[in-house]
Amino acid sequence: AQRVTQPEKLLSVFKGAPVELKCNYSYSGSPELFWYVQYSRQRLQLLLRHISRESIKGFTADLNKGETSFHLKKPFAQEEDSAMYYCALRTQAAGNKLTFGGGTRVLVKP
Amino acid sequence: EADIYQTPRYLVIGTGKKITLECSQTMGHDKMYWYQQDPGMELHLIHYSYGVNSTEKGDLSSESTVSRIRTEHFPLTLESARPSHTSQYLCASSRTGVSGYTFGSGTRLTVV
Repeated sequence: AQRVTQPEKLLSVFKGAPVELKCNYSYSGSPELFWYVQYSRQRLQLLLRHISRESIKGFTADLNKGETSFHLKKPFAQEEDSAMYYCALRTQAAGNKLTFGGGTRVLVKP
Repeated sequence: EADIYQTPRYLVIGTGKKITLECSQTMGHDKMYWYQQDPGMELHLIHYSYGVNSTEKGDLSSESTVSRIRTEHFPLTLESARPSHTSQYLCASSRTGVSGYTFGSGTRLTVV
């Protein structure tokens, strides 16, 4: 069965410091990976997807198939980045449904 | 405005009551999903539907049931609520060929 693991429940960093959220997945085929974000009192929303190779709000994520990882990075964290972040996996084997990790809460301190 | 709507936003109800959580989307999406999420925990898929009259159980076993009589509507029903059903329920939708999901605001259910 496919699985997504986010080892850090909480990441606390100072404003301007780099932040990296770890995501590892278990799937032997070709997956689609996503990062979703939930700001306080807002809905869960898509942040970025690996196939787009884009940078959103300064965040980037690279799919490493060898390490089965999709870590999310930002070189200079801002206070508005404080939120809950979820890594998600989508595969044809699972009927194209999203499987989510446990989430990482990011707290950016001033 | 095209969106996905969940009602109620919050619900506190007594044990044994029947409840229905509403989810409607006006985006013309064919696929809809229900996730259950405890505070600070991962999201677990409990039901999904790929079209009208199509419903399937998700990865997490749930005593709830769903129906999909209309494309835009995907209600979730608990016949007899119990304290163990206390959780947040998130509805989402997507369109075939488009990988992202759109999530609703969620219903936070408390059974006392």
